[in-house]
This record gives sequence, structure tokens and C-alpha cells, in this order.
Amino acid sequence: GQSLEQPSEVTAVEGAIVQINCTYQTSGFYGLSWYQQHDGGAPTFLSYNGLDGLEETGRFSSFLSRSDSYGYLLLQELQMKDSASYFCAVRTSGYSTLTFGKGTMLLVSP
Amino acid sequence: DAGVIQSPRHEVTEMGQEVTLRCKPISGHDYLFWYRQTMMRGLELLIYFNNNVPIDDSGMPEDRFSAKMPNASFSTLKIQPSEPRDSAVYFCASRGMNQPQHFGDGTRLSIL
Repeated sequence: GQSLEQPSEVTAVEGAIVQINCTYQTSGFYGLSWYQQHDGGAPTFLSYNGLDGLEETGRFSSFLSRSDSYGYLLLQELQMKDSASYFCAVRTSGYSTLTFGKGTMLLVSP
Repeated sequence: DAGVIQSPRHEVTEMGQEVTLRCKPISGHDYLFWYRQTMMRGLELLIYFNNNVPIDDSGMPEDRFSAKMPNASFSTLKIQPSEPRDSAVYFCASRGMNQPQHFGDGTRLSIL
């Protein structure tokens, strides 16, 4: 099976940079995705890493190291609206599904 | 473009009643997924369809749960009979080939 570990909660202040880590154990790893979910809302796709390295999308970046079974989501210039839960999810080769971590709640304060 | 549409948004019913959740995926998407989210267990995949065919239902918790996809634009998740431990937020998601999943706004289900 698959397992993912990410911190349950992270706090930061507006304007700061925060990194949310995700480690995974899986066979046949295919790629790592990140989703954002505001309280009570739909999870929304943020980024995907299929290869090692950094993917940048505006204020958000995501990194993957396949050899370390590790990835992170980097949020820069934090805004109050970034307060949400962030989920990493793995896709394994041969499967069309995602397995989600338990999520990291990010609290951004003024 | 319309996203994934789920109905109802909220459902409160008494245990033992039948509950039917509905989902309309994004047009052109050939994969559809049903998830359940709770504080204790997080986001769990219940079942998914490819081209309207159920592929993996190993996440369906019990025989009380069933799902159908009669056509490319509609799917249902049914619980019969419902129990209080089924209370959760149920999400439907869809995607095209090699694309990220798009989630609906979910159905918040409370079984009394």
C-alpha cells in the first residue's frame, strides 16, 4: 500500500514563506500532486511533479526528490487567503487514482 | 466552463433512510471518482469509473454503499440503509486522460 506523512499544522505570518513537507512510501511511484482546500470547500489542484526538481506557479512552487521519497510545497508572500488545508497525493504507476495524505492546515496571521 | 456539479449540497436524514448523492462530471472527462472525507480518516477514495465502467470499488466500506454511472454525464452514490457513522462530506471528482482531478463542492451528509 501507500502511506504519506505531512505535518498536521503550520503557522506563519503574512508576507512570509512557508514550506510544507511530504514524505511517502509507495511502490511504483508515478508522481506527486498538491491540492488546496479551504474550510468546507472543494479540494483544488495546485501542482504536479512527475520528475525531480522544482515546479513554479506564481507564488507557489513544488519540489520532488524521487530518491528521497520526499516533496514539498513552498508558498511565498503569504496572504491571509492562503489559510487552508494542503494535501499531498501520490499516483502510482498502473493506477489511475490518487492516495491523499491527511493534510496540513496552514494558518496565516496578520 | 461548468465544473463538477454535486447535489444536494447538504443532506440531513434519519438513520435507516436511503440516501442518494448525485454528480455531474465535467464534459469530456472520462474518469469519475467518489471520495469520503472525515476528520479521522481524511480523504478516502470509495470507487472510480472509467468510461462509465466501475474499475475499483475496493474503497466502498460496506454493501450498504453502491454507485452507478448510467452515462457519461451522471453518477450516483447510494447508501441504504444509512447509519450515523456514514456522516461525512462526500466529494465527486472527474478528470480527463493525464489531467488533474477536479472536485465538486461536495455533499455534507448528516445521519441522525
